[in-house]
Amino acid sequence: AQTVTQSQPEMSVQEAETVTLSCTYDTSESDYYLFWYKQPPSRQMILVIRQEAYKQQNATENRFSVNFQKAAKSFSLKISDSQLGDAAMYFCAYRPNTSGTYKYIFGTGTRLKVLA
Amino acid sequence: DSGVTQTPKHLITATGQRVTLRCSPRSGDLSVYWYQQSLDQGLQFLIQYYNGEERAKGNILERFSAQQFPDLHSELNLSSLELGDSALYFCASSVGGPKNIQYFGAGTRLSVL
Repeated sequence: AQTVTQSQPEMSVQEAETVTLSCTYDTSESDYYLFWYKQPPSRQMILVIRQEAYKQQNATENRFSVNFQKAAKSFSLKISDSQLGDAAMYFCAYRPNTSGTYKYIFGTGTRLKVLA
Repeated sequence: DSGVTQTPKHLITATGQRVTLRCSPRSGDLSVYWYQQSLDQGLQFLIQYYNGEERAKGNILERFSAQQFPDLHSELNLSSLELGDSALYFCASSVGGPKNIQYFGAGTRLSVL
């Protein structure tokens, strides 16, 4: 079965500092996507960054970057220059590219607190 | 704004009742997905429709059902509601196919009292 594990229920970071959120997953597939979503108190699911498994280069979106280790099945999110607005729940998600369905499998989330 | 519209935003009802949640996908999107998020948990996949046909099922209870209409909007029906059904229900849509990502609506918060 495909699973996603986020082992850090909560993390704190000082404003302007860097923080890394961890995510591991289990799959026998070779073609898939990985995502990080942010869920602020408004509960909206906001896509932060995505990574295609066949791309070796790590994805980057402004202050957000990932460390994708395919062999280790690890997909961590690094937030640089943390801002107060980054405080939210962060969910890691896996999506197989299996024909027929592209459902997401989510981890249980990491709550990020940003300290002023 | 993701372009996915969910109504209502909030629903309060009693145990044993039946409710209908509605989702309008982004223009051009053929796939609709329903997810359930219980308190402080990750999202759990319930069901997927593609162009009116059921494509995949997750851990959806028999008391729950869904459909996608010819205009591509979808409805999730929850019946014989229990306290444990209180959750945030998200709808997401995508064009379909392996390269397309899902766009999430703002969710419907269901409170069963």
